[in-house]
Amino acid sequence: GAGVSQSPSNKVTEKGKDVELRCDPISGHTALYWYRQRLGQGLEFLIYFQGNSAPDKSGLPSDRFSAERTGESVSTLTIQRTQQEDSAVYLCASSLDVGGADEQFFGPGTRLTVL
Amino acid sequence: AQSVSQHNHHVILSEAASLELGCNYSYGGTVNLFWYVQYPGQHLQLLLKYFSGDPLVKGIKGFEAEFIKSKFSFNLRKPSVQWSDTAEYFCAVTLDTGGFKTIFGAGTRLFVKA
Repeated sequence: GAGVSQSPSNKVTEKGKDVELRCDPISGHTALYWYRQRLGQGLEFLIYFQGNSAPDKSGLPSDRFSAERTGESVSTLTIQRTQQEDSAVYLCASSLDVGGADEQFFGPGTRLTVL
Repeated sequence: AQSVSQHNHHVILSEAASLELGCNYSYGGTVNLFWYVQYPGQHLQLLLKYFSGDPLVKGIKGFEAEFIKSKFSFNLRKPSVQWSDTAEYFCAVTLDTGGFKTIFGAGTRLFVKA
């Protein structure tokens, strides 16, 4: 596609439910990143993928958070037993390669609200 | 711990004023430095980046930034802002820690009065 897409754009869920967020990166981009942005705050790194493997999972806040990537393409971020503090915008980005110097292209984000 | 600090959370300027947004990072190893911008209703997009060579880098729309290694800084500048520069600006640093990890600052909201 022309850019990074994310779905859903908005998700409202009840505390304790599981949610799955999807990211479709730009075709051919090896690297894929997930960030969380709480209201009024900067982007918080969660995880990145190089191909289908995740060399750095250090940003995942707890074991309720997991992510996978298949076919060096689509990625899903799963949050189990959601809590109110999980409410945020979840941003996905992709870049041509992971080398630190490549521009990251961002999607529109998924706004998650946990009631 | 590695971190990126942006000194101003909100900046209000009149058109034609000069702009400087501060960014400092804490990490002693190799870094790549970025400024991203988010215009109202749009996605984050790259403004400029530094990874090697001339420490003064120029980006889109007349923005520039200077990497000063001794000060761990990468300040963003523009000599004369326009109303259309109203946006949120994020400084980001990619660290080589064996893998690569990108840390963003908290952002600076710039409002330019017409």
